[in-house]
Amino acid sequence: AQSVTQLGSHVSVSEGALVLLRCNYSSSVPPYLFWYVQYPNQGLQLLLKYTSAATLVKGINGFEAEFKKSETSFHLTKPSAHMSDAAEYFCAVSDNKIIFGKGTRLHILP
Amino acid sequence: SQTIHQWPATLVQPVGSPLSLECTVEGTSNPNLYWYRQAAGRGLQLLFYSIGIDQISSEVPQNLSASRPQDRQFILSSKKLLLSDSGFYLCAWSVRRGAGEQYFGPGTRLTVT
Repeated sequence: AQSVTQLGSHVSVSEGALVLLRCNYSSSVPPYLFWYVQYPNQGLQLLLKYTSAATLVKGINGFEAEFKKSETSFHLTKPSAHMSDAAEYFCAVSDNKIIFGKGTRLHILP
Repeated sequence: SQTIHQWPATLVQPVGSPLSLECTVEGTSNPNLYWYRQAAGRGLQLLFYSIGIDQISSEVPQNLSASRPQDRQFILSSKKLLLSDSGFYLCAWSVRRGAGEQYFGPGTRLTVT
């Protein structure tokens, strides 16, 4: 059975600092992997997706994620945090059915 | 391009009253449709999914029901709301065959008083 674990329900970074949100997955078949962002009182928006092409995936708003099969990880990064990045981020894995992680709330410190 | 609509955006209802939330998708045909709930401080809980008209699966036994009267319309209902039904309700769609990514609507904030 597939599953996804997001490490850290809350992450705080200073404005301009590196953003790193961690996601580990388990899947019995090569998975599809996704990151979503949710701003307060809004729906989830797809940031990026991995579908077995390039292992480094670039998304919107300057985010990217790297698929590492040996580590079963799909961590989300952004070189320089902006105040507007404050939101909740969800990692998801799909082979036949999509499973979402519990989310990580990103706080940006001025 | 595809768009997904939900209404109402916010709703305050007394305990014991009925509920009807509507979701419609434009710009695609034969989508898979989903209803999720987010309770305060919790993740996404899948409530129902549908692969076609009148084909609906329930993930969690509860006080809610879903219907899909048309290909791109998905309705979430309750005959009698409970306090525990409060939350943020999200509708989503995906293509029938693909990587599985879902596209979400703007959500409905339901407060049961």
